[in-house]
This record gives sequence, C-alpha cells and structure tokens, in this order.
Amino acid sequence: DADVTQTPRNRITKTGKRIMLECSQTKGHDRMYWYRQDPGLGLRLIYYSFDVKDINKGEISDGYSVSRQAQAKFSLSLESAIPNQTALYFCATSGGQGTTYEQYFGPGTRLTVT
Amino acid sequence: DQQVKQNSPSLSVQEGRISILNCDYTNSMFDYFLWYKKYPAEGPTFLISISSIKDKNEDGRFTVFLNKSAKHLSLHIVPSQPGDSAVYFCAAGSTDSWGKLQFGAGTQVVVTP
Repeated sequence: DADVTQTPRNRITKTGKRIMLECSQTKGHDRMYWYRQDPGLGLRLIYYSFDVKDINKGEISDGYSVSRQAQAKFSLSLESAIPNQTALYFCATSGGQGTTYEQYFGPGTRLTVT
Repeated sequence: DQQVKQNSPSLSVQEGRISILNCDYTNSMFDYFLWYKKYPAEGPTFLISISSIKDKNEDGRFTVFLNKSAKHLSLHIVPSQPGDSAVYFCAAGSTDSWGKLQFGAGTQVVVTP
C-alpha cells in the first residue's frame, strides 16, 4: 500500500465551488506539506504543518486553507475555486529536524476549475 | 522570485550515454540539495541528495556535483537508460528552515534507443 495517499485523484469543478483535497500518510511523519505544480513553474509550497497544532503559510497560500485533523491527515480546501487554481496538487511528508532531508510525495490530484 | 532555476526544460540523450542536468540557485543560505524524479501520473520520488559540506555524492548510476562558489549543482546519469525518461526536479533547503524546499521548474529527459 502507498505510504502517502491523496483523494480524489482527479476532480473537475466549477468556478465558485468549495472543494477539499485530502491526504493521508502511514509513514508516521509529523511534517506534512501541500504543493501545486504548474507547467514551467515547478512545485510551489501552499501550506505546511510541522505537527497537529502547527500550521504555516507557504509562498502561495491565498485562496487556500488547510486542516490538520490528525498526525496522519492533512486536507487542503479551496473555499471558492477559480480557473487559475487549475493545477496538479501534491501532498508530501517528511521527518523532523535532524532526520533525512527527503520529502515523500503522494500521487497527486489533478484539479480542473471551469 | 525563483530561487532555484533549471534553465533547460528538456534534454534528449541516447541510451548508454551520459545525461547531465543542471540547476542554479541564488540563496546562499541553502545548505542541502535534492533531486527528484517524476513519471506521468505519479508523485515525485526522491533520487539523491547532497549537503553543502560535500561537493559530490554518488549512488549507483547517479552522481550529484555541487559547486558552492558558483551556486550550481548538476546531476549526472551514467549510463542513461530508457527507464530514466522522466521529469527531474532540483530542490534546495536550509537547516534554518528545515523541511521547506524550493523547487526548480524541472527538466524533461527523454532517453532514446
């Protein structure tokens, strides 16, 4: 079974709708992240959480919110979706400071806002 | 303001030859660097990393070189195989803000038979 799972894998929604993307992990990591990928821009950090009570904005948090429901679950919400939020969204996890550098990514959610 | 840049969006290489992917960064606080590989419809997977105290790290066919004075790193894949066809992302972070990575835009590598 995958260590980091994301649901849904694909979603088409309309402008103005609220949508939630969910992420679960079985790696036992405290740290979780949400990124979006756009062509020519790589991956950009939306929000990150270093533990259940710690939520931080990334470089492109406007229009997004997150909830860390448990150590293993981190969800991303678009309160009122707009077309320029059409992108690939990835959840990732990592260990704490002093552990290895790597982040482990989920398979992604392809979101289209029409 | 992109702090990590991969200026080659694509690279085509023959099977068996060397692939060289380049990455430049602007933030002198970065002290660890990673390469990720991404296949279509999958998430990025970690490939290899290097900390700023080293100038080279090797793992099988993959070698990463770091030139701190030039703020440049490169990934060498030798020999290239068809399964190496993927998008490669360079990423950088600093121990001062552990866990936050800055990613480059990616380089699409195509390995031809």
